[in-house]
Amino acid sequence: GNSVTQMEGPVTLSEEAFLTINCTYTATGYPSLFWYVQYPGEGLQLLLKATKADDKGSNKGFEATYRKETTSFHLEKGSVQVSDSAVYFCALNSNTGNQFYFGTGTSLTVIP
Amino acid sequence: GAVVSQHPSRVICKSGTSVKIECRSLDFQATTMFWYRQFPKQSLMLMATSNEGSKATYEQGVEKDKFLINHASLTLSTLTVTSAHPEDSSFYICSASRRDGTYQPQHFGDGTRLSIL
Repeated sequence: GNSVTQMEGPVTLSEEAFLTINCTYTATGYPSLFWYVQYPGEGLQLLLKATKADDKGSNKGFEATYRKETTSFHLEKGSVQVSDSAVYFCALNSNTGNQFYFGTGTSLTVIP
Repeated sequence: GAVVSQHPSRVICKSGTSVKIECRSLDFQATTMFWYRQFPKQSLMLMATSNEGSKATYEQGVEKDKFLINHASLTLSTLTVTSAHPEDSSFYICSASRRDGTYQPQHFGDGTRLSIL
């Protein structure tokens, strides 16, 4: 079946620190992978995506590389800011249907 | 960019009340909309897939008579929580996919916080 396993939080970092949020998946076929961000009281916003192996998604300084060999899609940012404080969700779409599978979310707090 | 509007953003009501939540795609046609439920500090759980002009497809364990979904047009889907009880209190989020046949990416509404007293 399809599932996403995400690093548990919460994560607290100082401003300008390096961020990694781990995400691994199981899927049938060749899924597309996503990171969504949810700011307090809001819905989800697409942060980045990758549709095939070895693709790198990037946006707003965040990056994630689709690693088929390790079934991973870890989110990274070299220097976090206070404004990056949010909950981050890893997700996959199997491309054989319209359902998205989400990880449990990782809460990130960046302190000045 | 694409925008999905969800209304209301917050509802507080008495047990036994029915509550309707609207999800609109503002600048694109959405043949498919999705309804999710999110419990505190947990992930999103897909409740149902709403298809324009046809019956919704519910996930296992979701009561279709409890959570009524109507997708009457290409820009509007509604979720009605009938005879709501405190255990229905949750954060409900909708999302929509464009009409171009792909499901990616899904665009999400800002969610509705439902609190049943």
